[in-house]
Amino acid sequence: AQKVTQAQTEISVVEKEDVTLDCVYETRDTTYYLFWYKQPPSGELVFLIRRNSFDEQNEISGRYSWNFQKSTSSFNFTITASQVVDSAVYFCALIGGATNKLIFGTGTLLAVQP
Amino acid sequence: DGGITQSPKYLFRKEGQNVTLSCEQNLNHDAMYWYRQDPGQGLRLIYYSQIVNDFQKGDIAEGYSVSREKKESFPLTVTSAQKNPTAFYLCASSIDILQFSNQPQHFGDGTRLSIL
Repeated sequence: AQKVTQAQTEISVVEKEDVTLDCVYETRDTTYYLFWYKQPPSGELVFLIRRNSFDEQNEISGRYSWNFQKSTSSFNFTITASQVVDSAVYFCALIGGATNKLIFGTGTLLAVQP
Repeated sequence: DGGITQSPKYLFRKEGQNVTLSCEQNLNHDAMYWYRQDPGQGLRLIYYSQIVNDFQKGDIAEGYSVSREKKESFPLTVTSAQKNPTAFYLCASSIDILQFSNQPQHFGDGTRLSIL
């Protein structure tokens, strides 16, 4: 079975703090893809990143960075120097093997206080 | 601009009534999806369609129905059989059903359904 766990339900930080959102996944597939989506208060999901299981290189995009570690089945997301506009629910998701289903974690609500 | 349009943004249903949520995309995507979002439960897949006139049940299809008569459109009907329909519904599309492509799923703005 495939599963995505986001153990942090809510995180509150003060602007300019760094924050890491954790994502742990389970899958028996050797080929799989991991995603992060952002859901601001307006409701739509915004795609942030896609990573395949064969690419363990960490990625940095501006203030965002992602740490993919197959050894611990984790795909963590760090926001550096957080801003109020980063306040949203963040979802980690997984798809693997022959399935056509994107499996979502329960999301982490990030509140960045001014 | 290309994207996914969901309407209405807010919808109210009376007991015993069927309601239909609209989802239209102009991205020329083959695959479309419907998700339900409840607080603390993330997103759960209701139905998906990989091509016109074809659709498959997701994890929580009971009480819902869909149609895919046009590539651009994938309406979701919440029937009276769905006893707990209050939720946020999100429609998505992707280039094809397989996620092994360069493009992820794109989402609409959602429809919030409530019971009167």
